[in-house]
Amino acid sequence: EVQLLESGGGLVQPGGSLRLSCAAAGFTFNKFAMSWVRQAPGKGLEWVSGISASGSSTSYAESVKGRFTISRDNSKNKLYLQMNSLRAEDTAVYYCAKEPTPFRGNPNWFDPWGQGSLVTVSS
Amino acid sequence: DIVMTQSPDSLAVSLGERATINCKSSQSVLHSSNNKNYLAWYQQKPGQPPKLFIYWASTRESGVPDRFSGSGSGTDFTLTISSLQAEDVAVYYCQQYYSSPPTFGGGTKVAIK
Repeated sequence: EVQLLESGGGLVQPGGSLRLSCAAAGFTFNKFAMSWVRQAPGKGLEWVSGISASGSSTSYAESVKGRFTISRDNSKNKLYLQMNSLRAEDTAVYYCAKEPTPFRGNPNWFDPWGQGSLVTVSS
Repeated sequence: DIVMTQSPDSLAVSLGERATINCKSSQSVLHSSNNKNYLAWYQQKPGQPPKLFIYWASTRESGVPDRFSGSGSGTDFTLTISSLQAEDVAVYYCQQYYSSPPTFGGGTKVAIK
């Protein structure tokens, strides 16, 4: 069974930094692209960032470009999201999600999703 | 970016009745190279992550009950629950993966009347 488990969320002040992790199990991690998708409280879904299976290709939503960095460690089956210069509008549950292909060139659907990690940006 | 617009925002349907959710994209998500619509549907129950239900606009994910069906092409799509069950109460989202960035509709909340 595919399992994705996020960690690293919490309360951070505006302008601060946080690193999210996503531990993957139940599939060959280095064969699939991965993404982060967020959901503000009571709101809809917003794709944040994606990375190819090898880690060589990344992409970002305009809203986070230059502030967030996605990476992965295929030896540890882990996905990361480094979030800097955090703003109140970044407050959300952040989900990691598996994509059905290794590639990042074209978007994909997301399946499955982790349980999510709540990031709250507030003073 | 492709804008996805869902309607209605919410609907209440009696148990056993049909529920219909609409999703409209701001540009076609039908790829001419393979004649596939790059459109997915997700179900999200309270306190849970979204769950993929349908991809390629009409292909049900393994384990999804056959009372759920997806239809449509180009810019207009529909998710139909043919006979609403209590466990179908959730928010449903459409998502396009035709072009980057992938974008989601605003969601439709389905409740029991």
